[in-house]
Amino acid sequence: EVQLLESGGGLAQPGGSLRLSCAASGFSFSSYGMSWVRQAPGKGLEWVSGIFSGGGNTYYADSVKGRFTVSRDNSRNTLYLQMYGLRGDDTAVYYCARGLGPAAIFPYDWGQGTLVTISS
Amino acid sequence: QAVVTQEPSLTVSPGGTVTLTCGSSSGAVTSGHYPYWFQQKPGQAPRTLIHDISDKHSWTPARFSGSLLGGKAALTLSGAQPEDEAEYYCLLYSGGRGVFGGGTKLTVL
Repeated sequence: EVQLLESGGGLAQPGGSLRLSCAASGFSFSSYGMSWVRQAPGKGLEWVSGIFSGGGNTYYADSVKGRFTVSRDNSRNTLYLQMYGLRGDDTAVYYCARGLGPAAIFPYDWGQGTLVTISS
Repeated sequence: QAVVTQEPSLTVSPGGTVTLTCGSSSGAVTSGHYPYWFQQKPGQAPRTLIHDISDKHSWTPARFSGSLLGGKAALTLSGAQPEDEAEYYCLLYSGGRGVFGGGTKLTVL
């Protein structure tokens, strides 16, 4: 069974940083593309970032490009999202998701999410 | 970056059929947009229903189907059940990234 467990969320100040982690199990992590999707309170879904299975190709939404960095450690079966320059509109539940194949940056299986709150 | 549009809300009767659509401001939706559909119920994480226009996830009930229709991606629900009441989102590949639609709130009433 695919399991994705996000962690690292919490309260951060505007301009601050946070690193989210997503621990994966139940599948061969190094064979799948991964992505991050977020949802602001009461709002719709927003695709944030994607990364190919090998980690060499990364993709970002315009709203986070230059501030967020996605990476993965295939030896630890873990996906990361390093967030810098945080703003109030980054407040959201952040979901980690597995793609369908090595170059799949769209969500196929989802984690339960971790809440990030940006406030002074 | 394209804007992806969905009906804000739709209502279907139990046992009825409804089609949700997903359009792109950049033109017709094609297979190159790799349309996905997701279902989200209140307080829950989203679940993937359909990928690549019409392929189903292992959990997707047979009453859901995906297609391209009139230049848009479409999600058809045939034989709606009360448990299908949810928010439905589409996702399109555009310019090297994903773009979600605003979601359709489906009421089964």
